[in-house]
Amino acid sequence: DAGVTQSPTHLIKTRGQQVTLRCSPKSGHDTVSWYQQALGQGPQFIFQYYEEEERQRGNFPDRFSGHQFPNYSSELNVNALLLGDSALYLCASTQSGREFFGPGTRLTVL
Amino acid sequence: GIQVEQSPPDLILQEGANSTLRCNFSDSVNNLQWFHQNPWGQLINLFYIPSGTKQNGRLSATTVATERYSLLYISSSQTTDSGVYFCAVKSGNTPLVFGKGTRLSVIA
Repeated sequence: DAGVTQSPTHLIKTRGQQVTLRCSPKSGHDTVSWYQQALGQGPQFIFQYYEEEERQRGNFPDRFSGHQFPNYSSELNVNALLLGDSALYLCASTQSGREFFGPGTRLTVL
Repeated sequence: GIQVEQSPPDLILQEGANSTLRCNFSDSVNNLQWFHQNPWGQLINLFYIPSGTKQNGRLSATTVATERYSLLYISSSQTTDSGVYFCAVKSGNTPLVFGKGTRLSVIA
């Protein structure tokens, strides 16, 4: 039984560019959440997708958008990258109240 | 929104020692989880424990919801226990809110 997978593992972009991160949830999980973790901090909730709809959203600007596909996989898109967007981006799938996290994508913005 | 405070922020232990990590939260919760983040960044779900006590091997956790705190106990610590331990809570329909974590270093 595969866990949550994310791609790519690492990514380097320059300011102003756009990025797309991908996530496949744990088998049988239909709810996917995205988090941003800055260095030395706890993860911060970006948004959650269920049945291909954004169900909840944290305090992030519209530059952050997402999508969920019929197979429950999800994408996180960030436009007009800023230096402050450099972080570890984590995807989690949920079952019975528990969050199961993927290994993350480390994004560096230069 | 709900506030989550974890203590201590840093902890250094000799291998074999026991430890207690604390999580205080500012409002009633309907979901509380403990996670371990290893040095490579992977977050592992340790417990889902909105109330009561659970044990899993050398780890156990207790949440006293009425007093708004949770404790994570690590017994006979090993070097592989090193990393950051996070407490995260939900109150009502809010998303999961994480504390700042406790950084644990276990020395051989």
